[in-house]
Amino acid sequence: DIQMTQSPASLSASLGETVTIECLASEDIYDILAWYQQKPGKSPQLLIYDASSLHTGVPSRFSGSGSGTQYSLKINSLQPEDFASYYCQNGLSALTFGSGTKLEIK
Amino acid sequence: EVQLVESGGGLVQPGRSLKLSCAASGFTFSNYYMAWVRQAPKKGLEWVATISTSGSRTYYPDSVKGRFTISRDNAKSSLYLQMNSLKSEDTATYYCARTATTKGYYFDYWGQGVMVTVSS
Repeated sequence: DIQMTQSPASLSASLGETVTIECLASEDIYDILAWYQQKPGKSPQLLIYDASSLHTGVPSRFSGSGSGTQYSLKINSLQPEDFASYYCQNGLSALTFGSGTKLEIK
Repeated sequence: EVQLVESGGGLVQPGRSLKLSCAASGFTFSNYYMAWVRQAPKKGLEWVATISTSGSRTYYPDSVKGRFTISRDNAKSSLYLQMNSLKSEDTATYYCARTATTKGYYFDYWGQGVMVTVSS
């Protein structure tokens, strides 16, 4: 199965800052990658699919990039509602998720 | 508005069975692949099963293959997960998720989740 290694596991940032979360696949996944946001006690929500396409209703401060085995999620100008956990997901085979990144307010 | 509502969770003994249900509304259910994804307490997300639009094709990770069965009833806009030979490591919140198939398979809408606890 394709393994997804996500980093960092946790991240502290201030309002208005820009942060980047990384995801490394164990093999080429041809941009078939999604990012999800999950707030405590809530179900995950799709943010980005096909590595860089924004899901309906997702603010433009979220962006995704990457290719091959390396992908990243960038959040510009952090807002209070962005402090949550984030997961990458390989959409190619076995649909594996990264281990998650918890974004906390500094 | 897309809505997915899971039911059927609860406490079950190891080795026993449980069947989860998911009622879908707000979209044409028969046009979409559907899936179950679970999350153990304080842990990450794990894909559990996917079913094609007609139900003719199903997919599972090794961790549940042979024990779990996903099915659907398009006439009732409902998704199911039959879980047999349950183990303590199956304890998790189980989410029903609509699956978008663009270049790959993504979960574009999720239910609120239902808790399954496997314990004696």
